Amino acid sequence: DAKTTQPNSMESNEEEPVHLPCNHSTISGTDYIHWYRQLPSQGPEYVIHGLTSNVNNRMASLAIAEDRKSSTLILHRATLRDAAVYYCIPHAQGGSEKLVFGKGTKLTVNP
Amino acid sequence: DSGVTQTPKHLITATGQRVTLRCSPRSGDLSVYWYQQSLDQGLQFLIQYYNGEERAKGNILERFSAQQFPDLHSELNLSSLELGDSALYFCASNRGGRAYEQYFGPGTRLTVT
Repeated sequence: DAKTTQPNSMESNEEEPVHLPCNHSTISGTDYIHWYRQLPSQGPEYVIHGLTSNVNNRMASLAIAEDRKSSTLILHRATLRDAAVYYCIPHAQGGSEKLVFGKGTKLTVNP
Repeated sequence: DSGVTQTPKHLITATGQRVTLRCSPRSGDLSVYWYQQSLDQGLQFLIQYYNGEERAKGNILERFSAQQFPDLHSELNLSSLELGDSALYFCASNRGGRAYEQYFGPGTRLTVT
């Protein structure tokens, strides 16, 4: 499993964009990059995933570096509900289906 | 609401006891995953079942076992409980195979005293 490095914590103001970085320098060529988040007192929640190209969905955008050794989750306008721990998870296509969670980044959103 | 249900929500028991945690996956999902979240170990994968069969095993202790029934609900059995087994236990489900997104339940908080 590829190792990931994320900041322990980040802070943002409400309605401002947030860029959450993740380093995954040992990622293999077939690993997708998944992001999950865990709101307080809840189970993890899928956010987005991608392989090489940048991806957008209703929750967030995912920007993947050209060498795939890092990625950035972008929340375009943070809300108080986005306060959570965000996990970046490289996940091999066709390999084990388990998710390997690191320590993640705790995002605080200030009103 | 992810559509995955877990019962009970909270469980308090004594060391040496045995408990059963239950998970009902989303309608149509064949795969069930169990994860443990503790303060010192973080979120760790325990075991996966797919359509009634064990598919993958992670850091699951021998005192722990699981099964998936024909109606696809799953149970995680924890026996000879120790203080260190106190944790949140999450169940997740998806279609299995190459389905990437896992849907997590609200968890069961187990406290061993």
